[in-house]
Amino acid sequence: AQRVTQPEKLLSVFKGAPVELKCNYSYSGSPELFWYVQYSRQRLQLLLRHISRESIKGFTADLNKGETSFHLKKPFAQEEDSAMYYCALGVILTGGGNKLTFGTGTQLKVEL
Amino acid sequence: DGGITQSPKYLFRKEGQNVTLSCEQNLNHDAMYWYRQDPGQGLRLIYYSQIVNDFQKGDIAEGYSVSREKKESFPLTVTSAQKNPTAFYLCASSMGSLYGYTFGSGTRLTVV
Repeated sequence: AQRVTQPEKLLSVFKGAPVELKCNYSYSGSPELFWYVQYSRQRLQLLLRHISRESIKGFTADLNKGETSFHLKKPFAQEEDSAMYYCALGVILTGGGNKLTFGTGTQLKVEL
Repeated sequence: DGGITQSPKYLFRKEGQNVTLSCEQNLNHDAMYWYRQDPGQGLRLIYYSQIVNDFQKGDIAEGYSVSREKKESFPLTVTSAQKNPTAFYLCASSMGSLYGYTFGSGTRLTVV
């Protein structure tokens, strides 16, 4: 069975400091990995996907299959980055859809 | 304006009652999902549906039921058999495995 682990419930950094939110996964197949973000009083939204290798709002994440990790990084934290971040693992279903398994989330707090 | 609409935003249920949470999308997505969000536990999958008239149990389906009579609609019924129904419920839809999910704004259910 698939599993996603986010070891930190809360991560507090100062503005301008680097950020790394950890995510490890367990899955026997080929993983699809995502980061979702939930800002205060807003709905959960997709931040980035490993398949697109993009940088969104300065965040990047690299899939490391050897370490089964998909850590989220940003070189310089901004106050507006404060939010709850969820790592998610996608499993392909018969018929082409997918099912996401989420980690327990990390609350990022950026302090001035 | 395309998106997912969940209603109501807040719902109070007496013990022993069934309640139905509404989820409607106009994104023309085939797949729809129901998750439960509890503090410290992340999101857990209740039910999902890849096409109309078909749905599958997720990880915590006991005490819940769904229907998918229309592509746009995927209502969730929380039955009296659900032992701990107080939670935040999120509905999502997806156009395919690589695109991630679009989430609704959620329904907070409280048993009184």
